[in-house]
Amino acid sequence: QQQVKQSPQSLIVQKGGISIINCAYENTAFDYFPWYQQFPGKGPALLIAIRPDVSEKKEGRFTISFNKSAKQFSLHIMDSQPGDSATYFCAATFQWGSVNSGYSTLTFGKGTMLLVSP
Amino acid sequence: SQTIHQWPATLVQPVGSPLSLECTVEGTSNPNLYWYRQAAGRGLQLLFYSVGIGQISSEVPQNLSASRPQDRQFILSSKKLLLSDSGFYLCAGQTVHEQYFGPGTRLTVT
Repeated sequence: QQQVKQSPQSLIVQKGGISIINCAYENTAFDYFPWYQQFPGKGPALLIAIRPDVSEKKEGRFTISFNKSAKQFSLHIMDSQPGDSATYFCAATFQWGSVNSGYSTLTFGKGTMLLVSP
Repeated sequence: SQTIHQWPATLVQPVGSPLSLECTVEGTSNPNLYWYRQAAGRGLQLLFYSVGIGQISSEVPQNLSASRPQDRQFILSSKKLLLSDSGFYLCAGQTVHEQYFGPGTRLTVT
């Protein structure tokens, strides 16, 4: 079953704190795990992504940790800022067909609403 | 990188009226294109995807249809809107694994 479970549904973190959002997947065929950030009334924006052969990826204040054996991955936002307040979606995908001509099915988690208090 | 354009940004339509939402892509050729619907505040549901002109696949049975008349144009349509069609509609284009989203169209069916 192509399902991605995301938790928590909502999260309140104080400014400067660490925000942690967790996701778990079932389909071991997934080979790419992106995170999206969405502000109210806007489309989701790709934030950071990881492949299953890597255990961690860091870009600025954002880090993905990946545990292949547990089929879990998480997003850590260090030094959280009020401007980080948004909804975050994890996703998992695998490529049908060849890299250049196939399509990828993105399976999304249900999202986490993050509020960073000043 | 590709840019996804959508219009209109917002739309209020009465029940039973037709619908046409447009998505265009720039910055790439022969992209895979996707239509999603997002219910109030939350998750994204894949409605249609297209791997080329005239090639449309539907993920869920519904009151909507999609067409791809040109390589970089993807249209979402309905002949008669239902109240349940209200939502935030997002178009996305694919570059290898990554999908990039447009700004969305907020549709309210009254």
